[in-house]
Amino acid sequence: SQQGEEDPQALSIQEGENATMNCSYKTSINNLQWYRQNSGRGLVHLILIRSNEREKHSGRLRVTLDTSKKSSSLLITASRAADTASYFCATDANTGNQFYFGTGTSLTVIP
Amino acid sequence: NAGVTQTPKFQVLKTGQSMTLQCAQDMNHEYMSWYRQDPGMGLRLIHYSVGAGITDQGEVPNGYNVSRSTTEDFPLRLLSAAPSQTSVYFCASTLGPVRTEAFFGQGTRLTVV
Repeated sequence: SQQGEEDPQALSIQEGENATMNCSYKTSINNLQWYRQNSGRGLVHLILIRSNEREKHSGRLRVTLDTSKKSSSLLITASRAADTASYFCATDANTGNQFYFGTGTSLTVIP
Repeated sequence: NAGVTQTPKFQVLKTGQSMTLQCAQDMNHEYMSWYRQDPGMGLRLIHYSVGAGITDQGEVPNGYNVSRSTTEDFPLRLLSAAPSQTSVYFCASTLGPVRTEAFFGQGTRLTVV
């Protein structure tokens, strides 16, 4: 399976701290995306990084991609209580029309 | 825009019953897909469609049928519900191939007893 894995499974931090979560995947990709899921809700797209990019920023989010290690990291800086959610990485395969989602990191930001 | 709309939000079925989960999008997206989300499993692809009249299987298609008669709608049919199909189901759409962001519905929580 192409499915990625996020690490850690759960993360608890104080408000204002940075949160880092990692994603590993198995086969070559065209791009990697990160999504957020608030409890009981659908997934919301956060950021997309292409296979020829190494780093991308969006507001308080910083994503890195290392295709040689088949891994990506998502950094949320100056976390807020509203960042409490589950975060998923999603990859595509070089062939096919499918997303493959990881198992998610559950982030809790304590006010 | 409403985005991706799923109905119903909650459903309880008895084993052996059939039902259809509805999904509609108003963004004129070609690609639509159905996922199920189970604890500790992430999201797993059930079926997907790259355009009206075209569907294909994902990772876990058994027990489910789909059709895509219009660009807007992509219903998921459970043929004979089983307790193993208890899950949260999400419909998603993308403008084009999966190299672009996906928009998700709010989910349908299905319990099969």
